[in-house]
Amino acid sequence: GESVGLHLPTLSVQEGDNSIINCAYSNSASDYFIWYKQESGKGPQFIIDIRSNMDKRQGQRVTVLLNKTVKHLSLQIAATQPGDSAVYFCAEKPHGTSYGKLTFGQGTILTVHP
Amino acid sequence: EPEVTQTPSHQVTQMGQEVILRCVPISNHLYFYWYRQILGQKVEFLVSFYNNEISEKSEIFDDQFSVERPDGSNFTLKIRSTKLEDSAMYFCASRSDSYEQYFGPGTRLTVT
Repeated sequence: GESVGLHLPTLSVQEGDNSIINCAYSNSASDYFIWYKQESGKGPQFIIDIRSNMDKRQGQRVTVLLNKTVKHLSLQIAATQPGDSAVYFCAEKPHGTSYGKLTFGQGTILTVHP
Repeated sequence: EPEVTQTPSHQVTQMGQEVILRCVPISNHLYFYWYRQILGQKVEFLVSFYNNEISEKSEIFDDQFSVERPDGSNFTLKIRSTKLEDSAMYFCASRSDSYEQYFGPGTRLTVT
C-alpha cells in the first residue's frame, strides 16, 4: 500500500532534565554516524558525529554513544532547554561510500516543557 | 557565520514542467550535495558533487535530474519534467575537508 508518512517517536521532557534519544541503524558495515537536529521549516543541523572505531564522543551538552554489537546509537542531551525542541535523527554512512551518501533514520520528536 | 542559502523558498510548478532549484554553498567549501525530504518521510540522498562532477548518486537521481555548478558560487538542481511524486523539500548541503555538512533552509517544491 502507499506510505502515508512516518509516525515519529516522541519524547517529552521538562526543562533541565537530561534527554536520551535512540537510533537503531541498519548496516553493520557503516563506519560513520551523525546526529542531526531539524527545527520546523529548517534544514538539518549537524550536532555531533562519531566514527565506528569509537564508542563515545562528547560535545557541548551532548554525548553520542555507539554500540556496534547491537547496532545502536544514542544521543544524550544534558540539561535540556526549550530551544532543544526539534526532530532529531541519526544518519549512517556505509563503509566505502562518500561522506555525503548518508542513510537517514526516521527521527524522534523532542518536546521540552518549561 | 557563513551559511548555505537556497532559492526560491517555495516553488509551485505544473506536472511536466522543468524546474531549477538554486543553492549558494559556503564559499570555501568543496563538496556539494542535494537531498530531498518528502513530507513526513526521511531525508534521502540524491547526489554528491566534487571537482565539477558527480561523485555519487542515488537510484532516485535518474535522467530527469541534473546538477550544475555554472559559476564559482551557485549549485543548481534541475528536474526536466516534474512529476507529482517530485513534490518534496529539497535541501542543498556543502562541506569543506571536514566531515560536517552544512544544510540550507530548503526549497519546498509543489508539483500540481
